[in-house]
Amino acid sequence: GAGVSQSPSNKVTEKGKDVELRCDPISGHTALYWYRQSLGQGLEFLIYFQGNSAPDKSGLPSDRFSAERTGGSVSTLTIQRTQQEDSAVYLCASSLWGQNTEAFFGQGTRLTVV
Amino acid sequence: SQQGEEDPQALSIQEGENATMNCSYKTSINNLQWYRQNSGRGLVHLILIRSNEREKHSGRLRVTLDTSKKSSSLLITASRAADTASYFCATGLPGANSKLTFGKGITLSVRP
Repeated sequence: GAGVSQSPSNKVTEKGKDVELRCDPISGHTALYWYRQSLGQGLEFLIYFQGNSAPDKSGLPSDRFSAERTGGSVSTLTIQRTQQEDSAVYLCASSLWGQNTEAFFGQGTRLTVV
Repeated sequence: SQQGEEDPQALSIQEGENATMNCSYKTSINNLQWYRQNSGRGLVHLILIRSNEREKHSGRLRVTLDTSKKSSSLLITASRAADTASYFCATGLPGANSKLTFGKGITLSVRP
């Protein structure tokens, strides 16, 4: 693909519902990141996948958050029992393996929990 | 606490002036990168400087890195209204599997 693709672009959900956010990384990129950005704030690291290594889940804020990456490509971020404080833009990025590589970002999913 | 922290948090300048933004970090790094974000959506990579480099240029951008002070600066020369955006520094730690860690960002406003 031409770039990192995220879907949906916007999602409005009711408090307590589960949501799934999808990320299609650039073909051949072995590293995939999820970040969260609240309005006017910086990027909060959530989870990092790198090839076949165990994912770095150290940024997930609670056990309501989980992510998987199937076949080393598409990733899904799942938020269970959504809360209003989960409202944010969720950004996905991918990069080639190794050090000194740049990350390519998708346009994000704006999640609003009402 | 953040690995990378930018300052100032916000900067407003006149078109044509230079904009200087700073980033400080806490631990040893492999590289430092600067990104730009328009309208709160995806970030775009601007420039990467490795830990063994001291200065790098790309068009109107100049990045410096001082590993002894654990700091970097991004200079945008002859700024344009279109440079208005948020700018983030990100650090890559040593290790092939290390992740990028971002600062909180700087909001740059360039007045026409």
